[in-house]
Amino acid sequence: EVQLVETGGGLIQPGGSLRLSCAASGFTVSSNYMSWVRQAPGKGLEWVSVIYSGGSTYYADSVKGRFTISRDNSKNTLYLQMNSLRAEDTAVYYCARSIDAGPAAFDIWGQGTMVTVSS
Amino acid sequence: DIQMTQSPSSLSASVGDRVTITCRASQGISNYLAWYQQKPGKVPKLLIYAASTLQSGVPSRFSGSGSGTDFTLTISSLQPEDVATYYCQKYNSVSFTFGPGTKVDIK
Repeated sequence: EVQLVETGGGLIQPGGSLRLSCAASGFTVSSNYMSWVRQAPGKGLEWVSVIYSGGSTYYADSVKGRFTISRDNSKNTLYLQMNSLRAEDTAVYYCARSIDAGPAAFDIWGQGTMVTVSS
Repeated sequence: DIQMTQSPSSLSASVGDRVTITCRASQGISNYLAWYQQKPGKVPKLLIYAASTLQSGVPSRFSGSGSGTDFTLTISSLQPEDVATYYCQKYNSVSFTFGPGTKVDIK
């Protein structure tokens, strides 16, 4: 079964760091574009970052310089390293797979992991 | 950056009604446009990609159209299980911006 499972969320103080993981099964993360999307409580979807199958990475302006997307092909896992966290980073974080090995819609989503930034 | 807008922000319609949601891109994006459905407390679900291609398993009452800057999602006959928020998303370059969403309720 094709599946994504996120872990690593939790309560963190402003200025702190957290690393989210997204374990994939049923497909290879390095074969597709993989993204992180977040949703603040009661708000809409916000795309955060993408890693291309070739390894290039891109970020939303709101997280550029603070977040880093990466993957471990041997573990078939996607990561999001989040530094200098702010209250406005509080959200459910989803990992998602693009349909194709290129820019494409997101056909598979994880169940999400909650990140709360608060003192 | 290309901005995505949606209208209306919310709507209420009767079961069986035809419902149309509009999405507009601030610049042309060809047909690199997807629609998602998110029910309360649930994970987003892909409905349509490439502006008009129905994702496998999605009921045929959902359809999409448009190209360039203007797109529409149509529900031909609204059902109770369609209560959700609908988002458009562009994916034509290095960012994958979502629209603000349209909340659909049953009247």
